[in-house]
Amino acid sequence: GAVVSQHPSWVICKSGTSVKIECRSLDFQATTMFWYRQFPKQSLMLMATSNEGSKATYEQGVEKDKFLINHASLTLSTLTVTSAHPEDSSFYICSATRGQTNEKLFFGSGTQLSVL
Amino acid sequence: QKEVEQDPGPLSVPEGAIVSLNCTYSNSAFQYFMWYRQYSRKGPELLMYTYSSGNKEDGRFTAQVDKSSKYISLFIRDSQPSDSATYLCAKKNTGNQFYFGTGTSLTVIP
Repeated sequence: GAVVSQHPSWVICKSGTSVKIECRSLDFQATTMFWYRQFPKQSLMLMATSNEGSKATYEQGVEKDKFLINHASLTLSTLTVTSAHPEDSSFYICSATRGQTNEKLFFGSGTQLSVL
Repeated sequence: QKEVEQDPGPLSVPEGAIVSLNCTYSNSAFQYFMWYRQYSRKGPELLMYTYSSGNKEDGRFTAQVDKSSKYISLFIRDSQPSDSATYLCAKKNTGNQFYFGTGTSLTVIP
């Protein structure tokens, strides 16, 4: 199966700092990547859709200035949580589509962010 | 109404039991169906993928789609403690939109 690499797996930061999370498709080119947020024992919440070479599309209620997404190449998308606060602590997961009609969605291993 | 509805459980079964996980969906637009397994603090792993009605088998796993009743199921035969995880059903419509169920937490007791 396709491999999506995400790192770091864990990050602890002080309030007010920025954190960057990387998501790479290792064996395929991903024109579209998705970023999700997941709270304990809850399902995936789509934050934004990232398209290579264009601006990300954010879901309603997600602050684009706080969660900066860059998809500069066909194998790399980054999510930067700017001026992080404790309420931003969460599990963040990226994913990428693959297939003739992008019908298969593969996920990274996730990043647990803890903001002190 | 949500695109995909899933019973959150939790579900607890003895080792060796047959597990049945179920979801319903509301939009009949052309679609693909998927089942994911997610261990705690890990990203979801694609288990099964299908787009047609009927059954699709892969080892101990069988995915079943009934488009007439808008029902999708995942069966796990000879369940093992390592199957303990949260299982997410998902659907993709035309376009690039994926919809996920809330997940069913499964525990297989040795």
